[in-house]
Amino acid sequence: ETGVTQTPRHLVMGMTNKKSLKCEQHLGHNAMYWYKQSAKKPLELMFVYNFKEQTENNSVPSRFSPECPNSSHLFLHLHTLQPEDSALYLCASSQETLKTFWGGGNEQFFGPGTRLTVL
Amino acid sequence: AQTVTQSQPEMSVQEAETVTLSCTYDTSESNYYLFWYKQPPSRQMILVIRQEAYKQQNATENRFSVNFQKAAKSFSLKISDSQLGDTAMYFCAFAGLSAGNNRKLIWGLGTSLAVNP
Repeated sequence: ETGVTQTPRHLVMGMTNKKSLKCEQHLGHNAMYWYKQSAKKPLELMFVYNFKEQTENNSVPSRFSPECPNSSHLFLHLHTLQPEDSALYLCASSQETLKTFWGGGNEQFFGPGTRLTVL
Repeated sequence: AQTVTQSQPEMSVQEAETVTLSCTYDTSESNYYLFWYKQPPSRQMILVIRQEAYKQQNATENRFSVNFQKAAKSFSLKISDSQLGDTAMYFCAFAGLSAGNNRKLIWGLGTSLAVNP
């Protein structure tokens, strides 16, 4: 596997289900990101982990719970979602050198996304 | 607040021709980065080109070049010799570099480009 991988690629779940999205990066990067991509809206940054520390929670509802067990893996745990949570969820990573700063001019490498449908 | 505007939701171009995608942004920062990312129908987003605001020279990457007008806060992408593989959604993005900024990317809504044979 190379680059950034995401599983599953498609997920359909009911509002009472619990599921998890998985992201793995094979690039040796230190920062990982979750984005939500919805039609007619800009990409929304949800969470950022830099050097395994969560450094950003962009006012995301608690029904989304991230986990970063190591610098290569990122999970997004989902429970009691709403139909408006249906979207494409993208994972990304970037190479950062400082624990206190991330992003900026550094290229982000994206996974193919998980298409989530909440019924 | 920082914003990025892409005024062309959809565009099309004939193969081998040149097309320009528009992007404007609003910021009070003097130092920042601008990006064009491409998301083909397979959905994996990739970086096309990056521009540092303090560099006056426009960035180029093979057939892709930008026209960066800092005073006008404009950052357009020119694709020369368009190829079928250029069919994708193109996103313009901004990242400020001032102290205290989270340095997250601010994204435009995207321009869907179709290259026709």
